[in-house]
Amino acid sequence: ILNVEQSPQSLHVQEGDSTNFTCSFPSSNFYALHWYRWETAKSPEALFVMTLNGDEKKKGRISATLNTKEGYSYLYIKGSQPEDSATYLCAPRRLLTGGGNKLTFGTGTQLKVEL
Amino acid sequence: DSGVTQTPKHLITATGQRVTLRCSPRSGDLSVYWYQQSLDQGLQFLIQYYNGEERAKGNILERFSAQQFPDLHSELNLSSLELGDSALYFCASSVGVIPGTDTQYFGPGTRLTVL
Repeated sequence: ILNVEQSPQSLHVQEGDSTNFTCSFPSSNFYALHWYRWETAKSPEALFVMTLNGDEKKKGRISATLNTKEGYSYLYIKGSQPEDSATYLCAPRRLLTGGGNKLTFGTGTQLKVEL
Repeated sequence: DSGVTQTPKHLITATGQRVTLRCSPRSGDLSVYWYQQSLDQGLQFLIQYYNGEERAKGNILERFSAQQFPDLHSELNLSSLELGDSALYFCASSVGVIPGTDTQYFGPGTRLTVL
């Protein structure tokens, strides 16, 4: 069983605030980390796939960093907008033999951006 | 729109019944995944098929089965339904070439209600 922890569980910020949250995972046999964004009444949407220690990815106002040695990733949102309101999920992937691409998702950080 | 389609969108049935959920992957994707999201639970991986063959299995109940057909669409069969099977069932697809870093694209989901 892969233990994935995301914190905080929920977050309320004001429009224009910058925010960040954390995904923690076991560092042993790390292979990749996926970040997804899940808006209410929609389906999860891929944000990033990260593989290398020190990796930094950016998509518009959203960026993510990865520390594979200590087993965490940060997701940052700069200048939050109401449309950023969603649950942000991470899914680390261990190096496994035998194929398969099972993702173990964390329970997510629910972000609410208020006007 | 991810390009993954799922039918039906909603399904209401009674305990003890059997249902079939259908998924068509994005054009060119060889892998199909099934996930379950129950009330107060995170996104749980059920099973993965790659080009017609089972590739990875999660905590899928024995009452549930899946298959992927030669045209790559997939069906998830749920039988002897119980109240606790009420959930949102997502299908996702990916190219399936590089396990671990493949981005999974999620369909809109099927909401199953068991009464």
